[in-house]
Amino acid sequence: DIQMTQSPSSLSASVGDRVTITCQASQDISNYLNWYQQKPGKAPKLLIYDASNLETGVPSRFSGSGSGTDFTFTISSLQPEDIATYYCQQYDNLPRTFGQGTKVEIK
Amino acid sequence: QVQLVQSGAEVKKPGSSVKVSCKASGGTFSSYAISWVRQAPGQGLEWMGRIIPILGIANYAQKFQGRVTITADKSTSTAYMELSSLRSEDTAVYYCARDCSSTSCSKQNWFDPWGQGTLVTVSS
Repeated sequence: DIQMTQSPSSLSASVGDRVTITCQASQDISNYLNWYQQKPGKAPKLLIYDASNLETGVPSRFSGSGSGTDFTFTISSLQPEDIATYYCQQYDNLPRTFGQGTKVEIK
Repeated sequence: QVQLVQSGAEVKKPGSSVKVSCKASGGTFSSYAISWVRQAPGQGLEWMGRIIPILGIANYAQKFQGRVTITADKSTSTAYMELSSLRSEDTAVYYCARDCSSTSCSKQNWFDPWGQGTLVTVSS
């Protein structure tokens, strides 16, 4: 199975801050990576697909980059409504695997 | 716009089975795979398996092989996930999600949309 390692596991930042989350795959997955946002008690929501493509309707402050084994997810200016846990997920191989999640809080 | 609606919460005894349904509306059910993902309390997301309805082919994570069965009824646009030999560690919210499109799963390899989730509690 492909292991996805996210860091940090949690972070606290101020409104307006730039927030960066990294995701590392245990092997080359090209750009076969997605990012999801999950708010408490809710189902996950797709934000970024194919490593860098913004899902329709998602604010442009969210972005993704990377290929191969190293990926980055960025919130350019943190907003109060961005409080959530974020997950990366690879689809290069079955089983689909997720990172362990990054919980984002407001300082 | 495709919507996935799941069946309601379940409370099960250890050793029993549970079957959760996921009904699709507003789209072409057979054109996409449906995956099942679970989330134990306070934990992350775990992929269990998927079915490609148009082919009737299911793939399972090794961890659940032999205990999980994923099926689909094209006539009612409903997917099902049955988990057997339940134990307390299976207590979790179970989600269905639309997965890849086309018979070869070569396109749209992401989970969107998701069902609302079904809480399965395993307790004696």
